[in-house]
Amino acid sequence: AQSVTQLDSHVSVSEGTPVLLRCNYSSSYSPSLFWYVQHPNKGLQLLLKYTSAATLVKGINGFEAEFKKSETSFHLTKPSAHMSDAAEYFCVVSERGRGSYIPTFGRGTSLIVHP
Amino acid sequence: DGGITQSPKYLFRKEGQNVTLSCEQNLNHDAMYWYRQDPGQGLRLIYYSQIVNDFQKGDIAEGYSVSREKKESFPLTVTSAQKNPTAFYLCASSIRQEGVEAFFGQGTRLTVV
Repeated sequence: AQSVTQLDSHVSVSEGTPVLLRCNYSSSYSPSLFWYVQHPNKGLQLLLKYTSAATLVKGINGFEAEFKKSETSFHLTKPSAHMSDAAEYFCVVSERGRGSYIPTFGRGTSLIVHP
Repeated sequence: DGGITQSPKYLFRKEGQNVTLSCEQNLNHDAMYWYRQDPGQGLRLIYYSQIVNDFQKGDIAEGYSVSREKKESFPLTVTSAQKNPTAFYLCASSIRQEGVEAFFGQGTRLTVV
């Protein structure tokens, strides 16, 4: 069975400083992993995805994530935070189960960016 | 433009009434999903459908029902049996393939008073 643990419910950074949002996963098979972003009262937008190709994945808006199988982690980083990055971020794992590839979500990390 | 449309954006209902949330997609995706979002709990799967006329219960299906009569439509009914229906509901769709992301609608915020 698959599951995702986002290690921080809130992360607070100053504008211009690095961002680190942590995610650990559990999967019986080789998983696909995703990061989504959600602004208040909106749907979810895909930031990036890992699907067994390069372990360092680059996404939109300067975000990237590194897949580390030995640590079962898929942490999201950005070198320099911008005010517009303030949002809710979800780590998602997807593996074949129940006959389909069903996304399973972490509980989310709220990123707060201070001026 | 291709995408997923959820309507309405905001919905108010009295306790004890059934209510149906609409989800339509023009992406030609086979799989569709309904999630419920509550603060601090992430997204929890209510129902999913892989193909027309077939759907499966997710992790929190009690008090909900769905239908999938057309490929592009997957409406969710919140019944009076759902004990705590006030939440943000998100619909998603995807193709049935490994490593492919799901696309999301803009959500419906349901408030039961």
